[in-house]
Amino acid sequence: NAGVTQTPKFQVLKTGQSMTLQCAQDMNHEYMSWYRQDPGMGLRLIHYSVGAGITDQGEVPNGYNVSRSTTEDFPLRLLSAAPSQTSVYFCASSYSRTGDYGYTFGSGTRLTVV
Amino acid sequence: GEDVEQSLFLSVREGDSSVINCTYTDSSSTYLYWYKQEPGAGLQLLTYIFSNMDMKQDQRLTVLLNKKDKHLSLRIADTQTGDSAIYFCAESYLNSGNTPLVFGKGTRLSVIA
Repeated sequence: NAGVTQTPKFQVLKTGQSMTLQCAQDMNHEYMSWYRQDPGMGLRLIHYSVGAGITDQGEVPNGYNVSRSTTEDFPLRLLSAAPSQTSVYFCASSYSRTGDYGYTFGSGTRLTVV
Repeated sequence: GEDVEQSLFLSVREGDSSVINCTYTDSSSTYLYWYKQEPGAGLQLLTYIFSNMDMKQDQRLTVLLNKKDKHLSLRIADTQTGDSAIYFCAESYLNSGNTPLVFGKGTRLSVIA
């Protein structure tokens, strides 16, 4: 089925470990973004990309890296996990920045850092 | 910076209408959106309205936009238990460059049978 695929769905990390959250879409969307969702905080933008080879920081980029080598993939790397990064992470893609045809969200990765 | 505000909780009885409200700060908003998030799932686009419209209706959903007061609302008629979810208001605006949508914190709708 067409859509945004995030892996893994669940992950537990120890403080200081690194890992990559994967995001792939098969809709040929140029625009992709990563959000984190915390209780009472809504969705906060981490990083986004307007096309292959182009990325930019969002509201809460510290501790995260991204790259966009292909249109389809937009992985999010945690460099040295901290308990403050315990959250649910969502990847989203869209045809355009404004999401005129809607942002498509993945089902999320629930990350716990102990 | 730009901000989108929503109340955090709403509780309604099954069959009643629900009204979820949202205020935003940027007068250059172009599109305003309502997303729905069911438990354990990502966000799903429900509907959106262009900033030059006052109202949009889609089956049980009615979106009202008061641009003067920067107020957006989502009315759900004949609310059902399946409507229980978190509803997010979001806006896009002209002067944001490439920045994606700005989301509110979400309103958790609880439907009582």
